[in-house]
Amino acid sequence: AQRVTQPEKLLSVFKGAPVELKCNYSYSGSPELFWYVQYSRQRLQLLLRHISRESIKGFTADLNKGETSFHLKKPFAQEEDSAMYYCALRPLNNAGNMLTFGGGTRLMVKP
Amino acid sequence: EAGVTQFPSHSVIEKGQTVTLRCDPISGHDNLYWYRRVMGKEIKFLLHFVKESKQDESGMPNNRFLAERTGGTYSTLKVQPAELEDSGVYFCASSQGRKNIQYFGAGTRLSVL
Repeated sequence: AQRVTQPEKLLSVFKGAPVELKCNYSYSGSPELFWYVQYSRQRLQLLLRHISRESIKGFTADLNKGETSFHLKKPFAQEEDSAMYYCALRPLNNAGNMLTFGGGTRLMVKP
Repeated sequence: EAGVTQFPSHSVIEKGQTVTLRCDPISGHDNLYWYRRVMGKEIKFLLHFVKESKQDESGMPNNRFLAERTGGTYSTLKVQPAELEDSGVYFCASSQGRKNIQYFGAGTRLSVL
């Protein structure tokens, strides 16, 4: 069974400060990791996935298999980054396509 | 292109009543998923359809929940009879193709009183 842990329920930073949202996972096989974001009154949407290795809205995340982590980082937070962030895992094999989510972290960027 | 559509956006019912939630996936998406988030908990998987077939229903909590996807288009999730612990937000997602990225609907907030 897989598990995703986001240790912080709330993270508050000032505009322009660096931000790191933590995500740790446990899974015996090869995982595919995602970050989803939900802005106020909007639907859950994909922010980035580790396979694509891209930067979206200035956010990056690197899969660290040794530490089983997939932390989300941005060097300079903006007020519009305030949202709920969810880390999610999906097995890379064909066993199923279900996503396993962490509990989410609410990011508040203060002016 | 229209996204995943869920109806209703909010439903308030009394314990013991029946509620049916509907999800319209993105046109052409064979994969359809139901998830839910109950108060204070993580978003959890309920089940996965491929076209009209149930691929994985391991997350369905009990037999009060019935999901259907007749014709492989829209899906319904019926809760009968509803209990207090069923309150939460029910999300639907759909995906297609090699990347299989799941696109989510806005969710249905279910309140069982």
